[in-house]
Amino acid sequence: DAGVTQSPTHLIKTRGQHVTLRCSPISGHKSVSWYQQVLGQGPQFIFQYYEKEERGRGNFPDRFSARQFPNYSSELNVNALLLGDSALYLCASSLATGGNIQYFGAGTRLSVL
Amino acid sequence: GQNIDQPTEMTATEGAIVQINCTYQTSGFNGLFWYQQHAGEAPTFLSYNVLDGLEEKGRFSSFLSRSKGYSYLLLKELQMKDSASYLCAVRDQENSWGKFQFGAGTQVVVTP
Repeated sequence: DAGVTQSPTHLIKTRGQHVTLRCSPISGHKSVSWYQQVLGQGPQFIFQYYEKEERGRGNFPDRFSARQFPNYSSELNVNALLLGDSALYLCASSLATGGNIQYFGAGTRLSVL
Repeated sequence: GQNIDQPTEMTATEGAIVQINCTYQTSGFNGLFWYQQHAGEAPTFLSYNVLDGLEEKGRFSSFLSRSKGYSYLLLKELQMKDSASYLCAVRDQENSWGKFQFGAGTQVVVTP
């Protein structure tokens, strides 16, 4: 069975550009969460979606947005990129929300120049 | 506020035991999770505690005390491949949807 898949693997952008990251959850999982991980730090929660609705949002500016599709895949969008947005963006899926284990994808490494 | 603390780095010898402590202060609690993350890779799930006590899974064990806001991960019979960052994460229930709060991770270095 396929795990959580993310695309692209790596991405290089310049300041001010926009980026879209994609995630496909494990088959049967209905919840997707997005995290930002800066080198040397733990993942920071950005969004959680369940059944196509936003269920949680972390302390990130409005430049960050996301959505979940009917097939439970998800996109994370970041507008007006800043140098500080350079990080590993991780997607995690789980069956539902309360107490379920989250399984992570390999991430998208974003570099903003 | 929300706070999850764990040591930055620990070094141990192959075959030894290492204990990684994690203390937390969160507005709610719905489980504590341990993940292993090798450099450049995704975190992989190791263990989960929601009730007080010890959970054992092979060479790895995890303990939880909710009253003390404390957990530890015990790695026994260390192998070189155990060199990685170990992340402590708490699932809070601040808004009933239980987002994960991660610590900064503990880098474990296993030496021959």
